[in-house]
Amino acid sequence: EVQLVESGGGFVQPGRSLRLSCAASGFTFDDYAMHWVRQVPGKGLEWVSSISWNGVAIGYADSVKGRFTISRDNAKNALYLQVNSLRVEDTALYYCTKASCSSINCYGGWFDPWGQGTLVTVSS
Amino acid sequence: QSVVTQPPSASGAPGQRVTISCSGSSSNIGSNTVNWYQQLPGTAPKVLIYNNNERPSGVPDRFSGSKSGTSASLAISGLQSEDEADYYCVTWDDSLHAWVFGGGTKMAVL
Repeated sequence: EVQLVESGGGFVQPGRSLRLSCAASGFTFDDYAMHWVRQVPGKGLEWVSSISWNGVAIGYADSVKGRFTISRDNAKNALYLQVNSLRVEDTALYYCTKASCSSINCYGGWFDPWGQGTLVTVSS
Repeated sequence: QSVVTQPPSASGAPGQRVTISCSGSSSNIGSNTVNWYQQLPGTAPKVLIYNNNERPSGVPDRFSGSKSGTSASLAISGLQSEDEADYYCVTWDDSLHAWVFGGGTKMAVL
């Protein structure tokens, strides 16, 4: 069974940093791209970042570019999101999700499954 | 404001057929495939439709997807109370180099 388990969220002040992690199991991790998607409580889904199977191709939403860094460790079956210079508007539940292919935007691709999410709350 | 737009709400009586639209442009829906996700209250999203009209195993055939030009639709036939959820469309945007989600549609079963 494919499982994705996020961790690393918490309550932080504006300007601080966090490192989110996603532990993957039940599939060949280095065959697939991975994504981070976030959701402000009670609001819609927002794509945050994607990384290809080998970490070479990476993409970010404009809202996080320059502040967030996605990475992966295929030896550990782990995905990471380093979130710096946090803002109040970054408060959200952050989901890790598996791509259906090895690249960040393959034609016909989709995201599934999703983890349960890790909550990041940014407040002074 | 998302570049891909959905109605914020939809509703229907049990047994009815309802559709949710997803409208975009030539740089996103017009040139890429559309996926649909269902998010039940308090849970993570689950893929309902991928590649415009394909259903993963386990998804009832009451759910169907279609795409024409720069718009896509999700249809739910034989609406059931357990279909009360939020529904999102998502596609890749070639100009933004980003995945773009619709704003979501809250489905109510009357």
